Amino acid sequence: KAGVTQTPRYLIKTRGQQVTLSCSPISGHRSVSWYQQTPGQGLQFLFEYFSETQRNKGNFPGRFSGRQFSNSRSEMNVSTLELGDSALYLCASSLGWVVGQENTEAFFGQGTRLTVV
Amino acid sequence: DQQVKQNSPSLSVQEGRISILNCDYTNSMFDYFLWYKKYPAEGPTFLISISSIKDKNEDGRFTVFLNKSAKHLSLHIVPSQPGDSAVYFCAAREGTSGTYKYIFGTGTRLKVLA
Repeated sequence: KAGVTQTPRYLIKTRGQQVTLSCSPISGHRSVSWYQQTPGQGLQFLFEYFSETQRNKGNFPGRFSGRQFSNSRSEMNVSTLELGDSALYLCASSLGWVVGQENTEAFFGQGTRLTVV
Repeated sequence: DQQVKQNSPSLSVQEGRISILNCDYTNSMFDYFLWYKKYPAEGPTFLISISSIKDKNEDGRFTVFLNKSAKHLSLHIVPSQPGDSAVYFCAAREGTSGTYKYIFGTGTRLKVLA
């Protein structure tokens, strides 16, 4: 069973540009979440999609957006890049929370390392 | 405001001894807690979890303890092995009505010395 696939693995962009990151979840998983990891900040939640709908959103500016397609693949877009957006962006997939079901752990991809110069 | 806190950024333990990683949280609505391990250049991998209705869950060398009154959980690794050297994140699930998100701590870097 293939794991979570994120592309590209590495990206260098210039301040002011925009970027799109892609995530293919584990087959059968309908929930996709995005996280930003920076040194000392842990994993900061960006948003979560389930069946093409954004169900939850973290405290990030509107420059960060995402979407999910009917095949559960998800994209994350960051517009007007700033130097502080340099980070590891992680995507996680899960079955989604089913009431009464305990094991809804998220499985992570290897991440996309974005560097803004 | 950090709802999930890992106050120790790093920890060094001798091989064969016990590693204890700690995590504190502030939100009493969290109902599910997880530990992830992360190696450099890889995404976090799920390690062990515990529901808020339990106080202990064990899986091989890994045991997670939950103290709800103190809003504290800990991960015990016994015996510690050099391959356990990694960054460990605790996470808490928050959500209602079928939608949820995970809140992560800032991580603790564990180094197991041979």
